[in-house]
Amino acid sequence: EAGVTQSPTHLIKTRGQQATLRCSPISGHTSVYWYQQALGLGLQFLLWYDEGEERNRGNFPPRFSGRQFPNYSSELNVNALELEDSALYLCASTARRTGELFFGEGSRLTVL
Amino acid sequence: KQEVTQIPAALSVPEGENLVLNCSFTDSAIYNLQWFRQDPGKGLTSLLLIQSSQREQTSGRLNASLDKSSGRSTLYIAASQPGDSATYLCAVTVGGGADGLTFGKGTHLIIQP
Repeated sequence: EAGVTQSPTHLIKTRGQQATLRCSPISGHTSVYWYQQALGLGLQFLLWYDEGEERNRGNFPPRFSGRQFPNYSSELNVNALELEDSALYLCASTARRTGELFFGEGSRLTVL
Repeated sequence: KQEVTQIPAALSVPEGENLVLNCSFTDSAIYNLQWFRQDPGKGLTSLLLIQSSQREQTSGRLNASLDKSSGRSTLYIAASQPGDSATYLCAVTVGGGADGLTFGKGTHLIIQP
């Protein structure tokens, strides 16, 4: 069974540009979480999607947005990129019965 | 607001030793607790999940315990190997999943051959 898959693996952008990151959850999982892991800051909760709806967002500006598609895959959009947006962006899907989260390998975003 | 603390921040031990990683959380009203492993630049690998009603879980050489009332969990690694070198993260979730997991900053573990 395939795990959580994320693309692209690496992305380089310049300040002011937009970035789009994609995530496919484990088959059968309907919830997707996005986290940011910036150097030295630990994992910070970004967004939670469940059954196609945004259920909650962390303490991030509106430049960070996303959506979940009918097949439960998700994308994260970051507009007006700033240098401090450089980070590893991790997606996770959850088994509803147990609440266990499974993570993808992440997308490394570098903003120059 | 839930806060998770992991001690120590870093640990270096010779191969073969048994070791304990500690995790504490401020709000005992958790739904579950997960231990993860993260290799440099990689995603997180789930090691153990403990539901709030459970006291411990075991997988191979790993054993995790949970004391909800005191807000503590420990991860015990038996007979450590160089391949165990990684950052170990503890995370808790409140019921409903609204905030996902709240993570500690991790313990960076080095096992010396």
